[in-house]
Amino acid sequence: SQQGEEDPQALSIQEGENATMNCSYKTSINNLQWYRQNSGRGLVHLILIRSNEREKHSGRLRVTLDTSKKSSSLLITASRAADTASYFCATEQTGGFKTIFGAGTRLFVKA
Amino acid sequence: EAQVTQNPRYLITVTGKKLTVTCSQNMNHEYMSWYRQDPGLGLRQIYYSMNVEVTDKGDVPEGYKVSRKEKRNFPLILESPSPNQTSLYFCASSQRPGQGGEKLFFGSGTQLSVL
Repeated sequence: SQQGEEDPQALSIQEGENATMNCSYKTSINNLQWYRQNSGRGLVHLILIRSNEREKHSGRLRVTLDTSKKSSSLLITASRAADTASYFCATEQTGGFKTIFGAGTRLFVKA
Repeated sequence: EAQVTQNPRYLITVTGKKLTVTCSQNMNHEYMSWYRQDPGLGLRQIYYSMNVEVTDKGDVPEGYKVSRKEKRNFPLILESPSPNQTSLYFCASSQRPGQGGEKLFFGSGTQLSVL
C-alpha cells in the first residue's frame, strides 16, 4: 500500500526560484521524512518532522506538516541546478515498523 | 565511513536461476530493510528486520526471501527469479524505527534484469 503521494509528479523551474513539493498520506504517523535521489542512486535523507511538530527548517529547506489534513510540503528556496533530483516523502506509521514511500516528485532546475 | 554496502551494482540473470543480493551495514543498526523501485511506483518495501533472527514481510514479499543471521548483514534471495522482478533494489538500515523516528541510510542500489 502506498502511503505518501507527492504532488506534482514533475516540476521544472529556473535557478534561483523556489520549489514547492507536496505530500499527502492516509494513516496516523510518528514522523514524516523527505529524501532526495539523484538519477537511480541511493536515497539521501534530507529532513525529518515529527507528528507533534508543524514546521522545520534545515538550510534552504523548509518542511511543514499538517496532521489534520494529513499533508506535508517541502520548500527549497533559491534553487540551484544541483538540486535537480527526485524527492520522496516517507512516513513512519504509528504502531508499526515500516517507513512507506510515495512515488516522488522529479525536480528539474534549469541553469 | 558509515555506509550500507550492496552488491552487485548490476545483475543480469535468466528466469529461474537463484540469486542473492548482499547487503551489509557498518553502523550497528538494528533495523534493516529491502525496497524495490519501479517507475511511477516509488519504493515498495519487500522485507524488513528489526534485529537478528527477526524478519517480517513488507508490502511486496512474494518471490523473495531474506535472512538475518548477523546484525550487519541482510541478504535478499530470489529463489526462482521471474521477469516481473526486474527492478532497482535498495537496502536500507536505521536505528530503531517506531521510537521517535530514525532516518534510513541507503545502499547504492542493485539494478536487476531477469530475462
